[in-house]
Amino acid sequence: GAVVSQHPSRVICKSGTSVKIECRSLDFQATTMFWYRQFPKKSLMLMATSNEGSKATYEQGVEKDKFLINHASLTLSTLTVTSAHPEDSSFYICSAREEWNTDTQYFGPGTRLTVL
Amino acid sequence: GQNIDQPTEMTATEGAIVQINCTYQTSGFNGLFWYQQHAGEAPTFLSYNVLDGLEEKGRFSSFLSRSKGYSYLLLKELQMKDSASYLCAVWTNTDKLIFGTGTRLQVFP
Repeated sequence: GAVVSQHPSRVICKSGTSVKIECRSLDFQATTMFWYRQFPKKSLMLMATSNEGSKATYEQGVEKDKFLINHASLTLSTLTVTSAHPEDSSFYICSAREEWNTDTQYFGPGTRLTVL
Repeated sequence: GQNIDQPTEMTATEGAIVQINCTYQTSGFNGLFWYQQHAGEAPTFLSYNVLDGLEEKGRFSSFLSRSKGYSYLLLKELQMKDSASYLCAVWTNTDKLIFGTGTRLQVFP
């Protein structure tokens, strides 16, 4: 089956630093990847949609300069949280989708970010 | 706007049956998903409904009524490992997956 990995699984950083999270589709080509965040005991909130080779589309209220998304290849998307603050601490989950199977998203295992 | 509602918490006994409801009002509708999520892990796919009716898959079944904006997930023969959050998600016609608030299910012996 389709597998999506995320790296790192957990990261702790100091306030003001930047953190990069990678999302990889291991056995398929992902033309579209999605980034979600999830606060404790809350549901997933879509942050942005990224298509390979083009700029990401951000949801309302998500700062594109703070959450930089790059989808440079069909198997890799990255999310960089710039100048992280404690309120950015959250569970970040990516999902990936094939071009021909648009009704199915495969989720990564998530990245737990803690900003001190 | 987008609105997807589920009960926040439910409890049930091992071996019992539980039904988790989901009502939705979204900008367009392509289909409805149910996911299971254990704490600290990513969601795992349970079911996908596009047409009205009941889809059965082992111990889990999912029902959809598009005219009523309503779905439910039915879990039979509950096991302790079924304790998790269950997320209802609508795939909208703007190509976005919008998640409901999630239902935390606790199964007791």
